[in-house]
Amino acid sequence: SQTIHQWPATLVQPVGSPLSLECTVEGTSNPNLYWYRQAAGRGLQLLFYSVGIGQISSEVPQNLSASRPQDRQFILSSKKLLLSDSGFYLCAWGRNEQYFGPGTRLTVT
Amino acid sequence: DQQVKQNSPSLSVQEGRISILNCDYTNSMFDYFLWYKKYPAEGPTFLISISSIKDKNEDGRFTVFLNKSAKHLSLHIVPSQPGDSAVYFCAASAGGGSNYKLTFGKGTLLTVNP
Repeated sequence: SQTIHQWPATLVQPVGSPLSLECTVEGTSNPNLYWYRQAAGRGLQLLFYSVGIGQISSEVPQNLSASRPQDRQFILSSKKLLLSDSGFYLCAWGRNEQYFGPGTRLTVT
Repeated sequence: DQQVKQNSPSLSVQEGRISILNCDYTNSMFDYFLWYKKYPAEGPTFLISISSIKDKNEDGRFTVFLNKSAKHLSLHIVPSQPGDSAVYFCAASAGGGSNYKLTFGKGTLLTVNP
């Protein structure tokens, strides 16, 4: 069966510091991968998606970037965090139905 | 512009009764619709989906109804159980391409009272 992992589960970072969140998927090959963010009191906003290694599409102009160095690995990064980057970050895989990881709670202070 | 709207931020029902969660959309290109359930501090869990070629899909206690002319879908939970208490998100995608991007509503908090 397929499983999706995200880490860390929680993160507190100062403004201006870098960020790296990692997501890996097991039990499937060449999955579509997605990064979403849920800000407080909001729905889920698609940030990036990838249909293959090295192929990244950005949905929202922002302070973040994504990379897919391996087939089942998806990384969300920032060089300098802003206060507005705080939120709950979710990685997902799938096509018509998407399956989400456990999420990372990021607090930028 | 919000393309998927869940106008009720919260809903409270008694255990054993029916829960009806509603969702409206504005983009006529959407052709696949999904419902997710989310507990605090966890990722959303896929519940049920429906293609635009259908008007009803049922899975156990969960049934999704789609009214394309009204651009409206609903999720029925019968009977409701306390463990169903969670935030429910409606999502939609447009066919074509290979990205399968989902657009989510803001969610409805369902509380099932024992």
